[in-house]
Amino acid sequence: LAKTTQPISMDSYEGQEVNITCSHNNIATNDYITWYQQFPSQGPRFIIQGYKTKVTNEVASLFIPADRKSSTLSLPRVSLSDTAVYYCLVGENTGGFKTIFGAGTRLFVKA
Amino acid sequence: NAGVMQNPRHLVRRRGQEARLRCSPMKGHSHVYWYRQLPEEGLKFMVYLQKENIIDESGMPKERFSAEFPKEGPSILRIQQVVRGDSAAYFCASSPVRGPYQETQYFGPGTRLLVL
Repeated sequence: LAKTTQPISMDSYEGQEVNITCSHNNIATNDYITWYQQFPSQGPRFIIQGYKTKVTNEVASLFIPADRKSSTLSLPRVSLSDTAVYYCLVGENTGGFKTIFGAGTRLFVKA
Repeated sequence: NAGVMQNPRHLVRRRGQEARLRCSPMKGHSHVYWYRQLPEEGLKFMVYLQKENIIDESGMPKERFSAEFPKEGPSILRIQQVVRGDSAAYFCASSPVRGPYQETQYFGPGTRLLVL
């Protein structure tokens, strides 16, 4: 299972774009990259998933370079309610898999 | 479609008692996962189950912890003879039958266990 490395914490202001980068140097061919968001006292919530290049949905964008050794979660125009912990996960797409959550990145959005 | 349901939301036990945590997956989901989260830490995988089968329990402590997902009814995480170190938030997640992409897991609200 590929290990991931992300910044422990980040601060931002309302209305700014936030980019959180995750390193996964040992990512395997079959691995997908998934990001989850967790608010205090709640379970994690799926944000976005990708394999290569760029993926965009109504919440975020995910940028994955050609070597796939890192990925960047981009949150456009954050608000106070985006204050949460963001987890980057890497795992296989076949078979049951054991999801490994790291410590995540604590994003604090200020007014 | 109701989300993943967990009960109780909060559970207080004294050392030596048993704790039973229940998880009802989303409708149509046959895969259940249990995680434990200590304060200020990430989630730690405990066990992955399908109906009537334990697929991966590599994250489960060898003693006092057990899990099941019967043919009928919720998944149960059971902790016998609880100790203070068992105090944590326990999250359950479920996912549908495996498709071509990595499964997205849907998490419940968690059960917060406090051992006195």
